[in-house]
Amino acid sequence: EPEVTQTPSHQVTQMGQEVILRCVPISNHLYFYWYRQILGQKVEFLVSFYNNEISEKSEIFDDQFSVERPDGSNFTLKIRSTKLEDSAMYFCAYQGGQATTQYFGPGTRLLVL
Amino acid sequence: GQNIDQPTEMTATEGAIVQINCTYQTSGFNGLFWYQQHAGEAPTFLSYNVLDGLEEKGRFSSFLSRSKGYSYLLLKELQMKDSASYLCAVRDSNYQLIWGAGTKLIIKP
Repeated sequence: EPEVTQTPSHQVTQMGQEVILRCVPISNHLYFYWYRQILGQKVEFLVSFYNNEISEKSEIFDDQFSVERPDGSNFTLKIRSTKLEDSAMYFCAYQGGQATTQYFGPGTRLLVL
Repeated sequence: GQNIDQPTEMTATEGAIVQINCTYQTSGFNGLFWYQQHAGEAPTFLSYNVLDGLEEKGRFSSFLSRSKGYSYLLLKELQMKDSASYLCAVRDSNYQLIWGAGTKLIIKP
């Protein structure tokens, strides 16, 4: 069983609207990641989060994106003004295990119309 | 640039053995991971290699040659439930995962 849950599982939104995707850790981990995967394409790194701060972000993670840990537990990924090309699966992942492996949450499927 | 290559699709027969290859060119190397991803689901961790050689875990084995920038995932006694995409990912010098596009494995009865 994954040690993170993600809500919502599916979201449909209109272009230009703001969306907030949530990742809820079940256990205490220090490293968290957000990835996206456009249908039929490779997994793409968005941002990593360590000890409540952004540690790395990709070129994809522009000003339209932001991450927060508003209550010290849940992580949120916000897309301010969605575009059609933001339609994808968004995965939250945590780092754990001996090999500092990344384990993925179940994902949120975002569809922008 | 950083690049990971895997075959796009492979087909195998139930009960057989299949080998999925992965070659990589990355800025630094801190381990190679294989994940399984069923359609519409999240990737799930299968194996990790950081030293040269073979790692065996049940029906699945993974091999690494760092000098050749090469890995393979070996699946034995194939079952229908093994039909999925298999993703190769390399952790680079910045400890970021660089992902291949995945190999879609189709198992036929």
